[in-house]
Amino acid sequence: ETGVTQTPRHLVMGMTNKKSLKCEQHLGHNAMYWYKQSAKKPLELMFVYNFKEQTENNSVPSRFSPECPNSSHLFLHLHTLQPEDSALYLCASSQGDRTSTDTQYFGPGTRLTVL
Amino acid sequence: QKEVEQDPGPLSVPEGAIVSLNCTYSNSAFQYFMWYRQYSRKGPELLMYTYSSGNKEDGRFTAQVDKSSKYISLFIRDSQPSDSATYLCAMKSSSNYKLTFGKGTLLTVNP
Repeated sequence: ETGVTQTPRHLVMGMTNKKSLKCEQHLGHNAMYWYKQSAKKPLELMFVYNFKEQTENNSVPSRFSPECPNSSHLFLHLHTLQPEDSALYLCASSQGDRTSTDTQYFGPGTRLTVL
Repeated sequence: QKEVEQDPGPLSVPEGAIVSLNCTYSNSAFQYFMWYRQYSRKGPELLMYTYSSGNKEDGRFTAQVDKSSKYISLFIRDSQPSDSATYLCAMKSSSNYKLTFGKGTLLTVNP
């Protein structure tokens, strides 16, 4: 596997379910990100981890709970979601050195549908 | 006023056309400008990266930044059906990892 991988690629869940999204990066990066992409809206940054420490929580509802056990893996735990949470959830990684050339590389995303 | 404005299209052009994609922004602190391409059912991939004002060329793609007008463009020459995708502009200020994205423009190049 190369780059940034995400599983599952598609997920349908009810509002009372609990599920988790997984992201893995094979680039040796230190920073990982969760974004939400909804139709007709810009990408919304949700969480940032740098060297396993959460450095940004962009006022995300508590029904989304991130976990970063190491620099290569990132999870997004979901519970009691709402239909408006249906979207494409993208994971990204970067070197995390905050230099001008710190480029983010994206995974293919998980298409989430909440019924 | 939104930080980054991008016309979502859709934009449909014939093969071989020159395509012009644009974004405007309001935050004068933005110094680094990117264009990402996103194919259907895929994540965004970095296409072009420019710093401050000026032009940057890479094959059929040219990125242009006009900081005085707070306006950036991506030109695609000799467009191909394989260029059909959503193009996202993104930008950030100096030494800040946080990217601000436009909504994306859906481009279709018809053979």
